Amino acid sequence: DSGVTQTPKHLITATGQRVTLRCSPRSGDLSVYWYQQSLDQGLQFLIQYYNGEERAKGNILERFSAQQFPDLHSELNLSSLELGDSALYFCASSVSREPGYGYTFGSGTRLTVV
Amino acid sequence: KNEVEQSPQNLTAQEGEFITINCSYSVGISALHWLQQHPGGGIVSLFMLSSGKKKHGRLIATINIQEKHSSLHITASHPRDSAVYICAVRSTGNQFYFGTGTSLTVIP
Repeated sequence: DSGVTQTPKHLITATGQRVTLRCSPRSGDLSVYWYQQSLDQGLQFLIQYYNGEERAKGNILERFSAQQFPDLHSELNLSSLELGDSALYFCASSVSREPGYGYTFGSGTRLTVV
Repeated sequence: KNEVEQSPQNLTAQEGEFITINCSYSVGISALHWLQQHPGGGIVSLFMLSSGKKKHGRLIATINIQEKHSSLHITASHPRDSAVYICAVRSTGNQFYFGTGTSLTVIP
């Protein structure tokens, strides 16, 4: 157990639907990162939050949104789902907003859009 | 063009061999990470580097900022080292770029 908790572990949903992925960071970590890993695109950075504020933004689609709550857990919302959104979604956390520290990854949520 | 290039893409080694995986990048970076992903999918952060060299057990990571190059070495490789190793950089523009990974298989 890395200390980063992601739920659910697996999710199967239909095209056009909306889902919410949840991440609880390791105790004491203030930064949360979201990544998408698909077979054809590999790992891609989506977004980073630090202590509730958006810190960095990557290749996140407009149909996707995220937030970090006062208790530091984060949610990634995916809407108007398409087949191509099927992927592993990882959350990672770190203690700092700056890149001087390593990350701890969660075990991922496997999303299948049918 | 990918901002991060890794080589080799696939690597098969005999147990006990010394292994080197290379990573070259084209952007200015604030940090470089080496990640390990096991067949089950979980990702472990092995090293974060901004300069020099780090060692953890049988793993050694080096970075040459001037040459924009990093290497991950595994000494005395073991079948449990079989995994995909991914090089990732955080650019000075606060973006993350990932290599496509090196799939390592260590044969007993």
